[in-house]
Amino acid sequence: QQQVKQSPQSLIVQKGGISIINCAYENTAFDYFPWYQQFPGKGPALLIAIRPDVSEKKEGRFTISFNKSAKQFSLHIMDSQPGDSATYFCAAFNMEYGNKLVFGAGTILRVKS
Amino acid sequence: SAVISQKPSRDICQRGTSLTIQCQVDSQVTMMFWYRQQPGQSLTLIATANQGSEATYESGFVIDKFPISRPNLTFSTLTVSNMSPEDSSIYLCSVEGDRGYGYTFGSGTRLTVV
Repeated sequence: QQQVKQSPQSLIVQKGGISIINCAYENTAFDYFPWYQQFPGKGPALLIAIRPDVSEKKEGRFTISFNKSAKQFSLHIMDSQPGDSATYFCAAFNMEYGNKLVFGAGTILRVKS
Repeated sequence: SAVISQKPSRDICQRGTSLTIQCQVDSQVTMMFWYRQQPGQSLTLIATANQGSEATYESGFVIDKFPISRPNLTFSTLTVSNMSPEDSSIYLCSVEGDRGYGYTFGSGTRLTVV
């Protein structure tokens, strides 16, 4: 199974709040889990990524939490800002799968000021 | 990470015609990928393009509809042939990042077929 399921579809958060987006996967062969941020009219940009040998990775206000046993990972945006309003995609990758990324459906985040 | 230039950024085309999208990378890369993003949707891989070999197409995509060229390690083109309104999408070029991870995307080509 190559699916990555992402939720919620959309999210509204107050400025300063925490935004949480969740993803689940089925293929245990995936070995790299990136998050992409996409603004209107732009291509997706790599935000942060994690390997399954760690449970958490933090870069500034962005944190990935990874639960290998549950096959789930999530993106937390602390102190959310209006400039964070964008579409976020989780993805999964496995070199044995032809070096191809499998994307979640995306989450539209709106941060209200 | 690599910098990708994609042209055109947008176009409006008549049904039945073809459009060729160009993707130029500022460094040599082994693998280039073409994605389609339909309005409000996620990204779907169309094909993988390696220099010197035929592109590998994903299920649901065929070479006659989406021919791809990869003449060298920094350039690729995707043609959308015999277009219909259903082909209206954003088409994105992507390349692998350092050590095979951290894929970079171009800004995309927003295609509208009328």
